[in-house]
Amino acid sequence: GDSVTQMEGPVTLSEEAFLTINCTYTATGYPSLFWYVQYPGEGLQLLLKATKADDKGSNKGFEATYRKETTSFHLEKGSVQVSDSAVYFCALTAGVGSYIPTFGRGTSLIVHP
Amino acid sequence: GAGVSQSPRYKVAKRGQDVALRCDPISGHVSLFWYQQALGQGPEFLTYFQNEAQLDKSGLPSDRFFAERPEGSVSTLKIQRTQQEDSAVYLCASSSGRFQETQYFGPGTRLLVL
Repeated sequence: GDSVTQMEGPVTLSEEAFLTINCTYTATGYPSLFWYVQYPGEGLQLLLKATKADDKGSNKGFEATYRKETTSFHLEKGSVQVSDSAVYFCALTAGVGSYIPTFGRGTSLIVHP
Repeated sequence: GAGVSQSPRYKVAKRGQDVALRCDPISGHVSLFWYQQALGQGPEFLTYFQNEAQLDKSGLPSDRFFAERPEGSVSTLKIQRTQQEDSAVYLCASSSGRFQETQYFGPGTRLLVL
């Protein structure tokens, strides 16, 4: 079945550092890929998405590129802020018309001032 | 506007007790989803409604779990005879279309079964 693997956390960075959170996936066909963010005490929010190979999703300074050849969708940000501290979830849906996402385990990011 | 709300936010139950968890989706949203999130894990799909119709309940772990959305808006997830393994955060999400991929999540209900 479909699966998503994320790097284990917590990831601890200083403010303004470069962030990478790795995500790889296993899926049949052509999945859509997502990053969700969960701030403390809140629900998951969609951060960005990409629906086909080589697409780049971006939002709030975060980026991720859909790499079919390496089955990856790594999340990056050039300069993190304390307010980016949260749990980040990589997810996929199996493709057009699919509505059930498969989530990774989540990666906790802690940014220190 | 208002987002997805869930109540209660926290629930402690004794093993064997029945519990009911409520979800208020965004007004007008057709699709509603329930997920279970164990500690340190990502959310796992439980069930899906399109309006009042429960189209997919393949993720419900046992017949102790039951969900309804009788008028196509508010939904209730009921767990009968709770067990310790039911302890988790239960998330509700809604989306505006039938196969609309962007889901809006509520804050979750944290259930602890003692």
